[in-house]
Amino acid sequence: AQSVTQLDSHVSVSEGTPVLLRCNYSSSYSPSLFWYVQHPNKGLQLLLKYTSAATLVKGINGFEAEFKKSETSFHLTKPSAHMSDAAEYFCVVTSYNQGGKLIFGQGTELSVKP
Amino acid sequence: DAGITQSPRHKVTETGTPVTLRCHQTENHRYMYWYRQDPGHGLRLIHYSYGVKDTDKGEVSDGYSVSRSKTEDFLLTLESATSSQTSVYFCAISPGLSVTDTQYFGPGTRLTVL
Repeated sequence: AQSVTQLDSHVSVSEGTPVLLRCNYSSSYSPSLFWYVQHPNKGLQLLLKYTSAATLVKGINGFEAEFKKSETSFHLTKPSAHMSDAAEYFCVVTSYNQGGKLIFGQGTELSVKP
Repeated sequence: DAGITQSPRHKVTETGTPVTLRCHQTENHRYMYWYRQDPGHGLRLIHYSYGVKDTDKGEVSDGYSVSRSKTEDFLLTLESATSSQTSVYFCAISPGLSVTDTQYFGPGTRLTVL
């Protein structure tokens, strides 16, 4: 079985400070992992994905994530938060045995203070 | 939104009435998905389709049916709406060439069942 746990339901940072959104996963097979972002009243947009190539994945808008198999983690980071980063972020896992069906974490709401 | 539209965008209906939500894509992608989003649950897969007339159940399919008679359209039907089906519904599409394909999401439909 596969599952995703986002360790924080809400994270608040000041503009210009680093962002860390934590995600742990469980998968019996080699996972593919994604981070999606959802701005208020919008659909979801892909930030980045890991598909067994480089363990450090760079995404859009300065975000990156590192796949750590030993820790079963895929944390999302950004060196300097911008006001426009305020949104909800979802960590997502799938694998070949899931046929591409995505398993979503519960989401982390990121607030950015001026 | 990657050539995906959902209609209606908002709907209020009464318990026991049938409701159909439409997802339309212009990308000619093979796979289409219906998710529901509820606070604290992330997104959960309702049904998906891997081609015309080919559909399968997801994690939370009870009370929902789907149809896909054309590549570009995927319909979600609530035969007899209940208050527990109040939610935001998202359609997604992917090429279906690989399980690691990005899924592209529509803007969502907010459904309220009174």
